[in-house]
Amino acid sequence: DAKTTQPPSMDCAEGRAANLPCNHSTISGNEYVYWYRQIHSQGPQYIIHGLKNNETNEMASLIITEDRKSSTLILPHATLRDTAVYYCIVRGYNYGQNFVFGPGTRLSVLP
Amino acid sequence: DSGVTQTPKHLITATGQRVTLRCSPRSGDLSVYWYQQSLDQGLQFLIQYYNGEERAKGNILERFSAQQFPDLHSELNLSSLELGDSALYFCASSGEKLFFGEGSRLTVL
Repeated sequence: DAKTTQPPSMDCAEGRAANLPCNHSTISGNEYVYWYRQIHSQGPQYIIHGLKNNETNEMASLIITEDRKSSTLILPHATLRDTAVYYCIVRGYNYGQNFVFGPGTRLSVLP
Repeated sequence: DSGVTQTPKHLITATGQRVTLRCSPRSGDLSVYWYQQSLDQGLQFLIQYYNGEERAKGNILERFSAQQFPDLHSELNLSSLELGDSALYFCASSGEKLFFGEGSRLTVL
């Protein structure tokens, strides 16, 4: 079973920041938080991941709370092409460990 | 381009038949995963291999089997196909990050 909880759906206005929350209250010290998204029927796409520090790349920012029990993915200026299902995943540092996908959050970016 | 290659991209077959889906992982990745996604459904984890060994098993039917070969490519075999097996089948590979292929769309008529 997925170790994360996400809202099933969210809307965001085009050009505004999209803030997608994720709860992972049972995360352990060596587990990373990963975010992926799936646009329509394409293969899910890696967005970002982090352990405890906030991370930023060209796609998004990841904010992890100090107690690591929750995180937020931020798309700073959402576009219509960001409409997708976003998955938050917790996974250990061992490369042999599994990635378990929950139902994710369906983000709709509205014009 | 994720670096994960899946073949075939599309496959149409009849009930009762058997098909094989193939996956080549990204260079250097030792883990291969198979996922099934039916129409408008979530990703269902089927099975994971790590360096040739089965590492984790999800909701994979007994009619389905998989293996990872010494060169790390993997095959998913689906037999006695039913209408309900029609779905997108994704392969993914990982090291630190998980990367997905474009999927194989199976249609069972």
